[in-house]
Amino acid sequence: ETAVFQTPNYHVTQVGNEVSFNCKQTLGHDTMYWYKQDSKKLLKIMFSYNNKQLIVNETVPRRFSPQSSDKAHLNLRIKSVEPEDSAVYLCASSYSGTGGAQDTQYFGPGTRLLVL
Amino acid sequence: AQKVTQTQTSISVMEKTTVTMDCVYETQDSSYFLFWYKQTASGEIVFLIRQDSYKKENATVGHYSLNFQKPKSSIGLIITATQIEDSAVYFCAMRGFNNYAQGLTFGLGTRVSVFP
Repeated sequence: ETAVFQTPNYHVTQVGNEVSFNCKQTLGHDTMYWYKQDSKKLLKIMFSYNNKQLIVNETVPRRFSPQSSDKAHLNLRIKSVEPEDSAVYLCASSYSGTGGAQDTQYFGPGTRLLVL
Repeated sequence: AQKVTQTQTSISVMEKTTVTMDCVYETQDSSYFLFWYKQTASGEIVFLIRQDSYKKENATVGHYSLNFQKPKSSIGLIITATQIEDSAVYFCAMRGFNNYAQGLTFGLGTRVSVFP
């Protein structure tokens, strides 16, 4: 049962364009995340966000920025895409806090980006 | 910084047998959480099972179980009575006790192929 939704599924664009990906969760979680999965299948955290703070992985280029309207939505904008941005971008959500099953992260289906 | 290592790139097994996957991790945290996810052919990432480091008993969910060896920093995944639909890439992941906002650190995954 899908509870983390992402759009679009797939996007093709050209170098220098701006793109935006959407993520919505219906689990009532208070924290959302963006991960990047590269061609070698490595998953790396890019951002985490709840209503208290935004945590940015220091290796993420400044052209990437998360945008949130409420705790159920966290979009990802890439201001000027580059070829190395081609990857799958996965959104996830969880409760904040520590311990117990509630802070397990659940993932969306991903958005595959191809930069030509 | 945390590190997760999965040394087995791929494993092939016959249906209805048991498969075991290895995962070792590195962390400075005294308490932490360990997770296993699987990524299906469609790209969907599904949470399977977790182990909280302060719990001595190995976690079990359905036909998934864990072999947690804390002194060796090891968390193996065991799948019994494998089915064709267990064919997927399995990821080991972790995070520190207080670091939910830092996201998960993932290994590179182990591809499991189940044959009839």
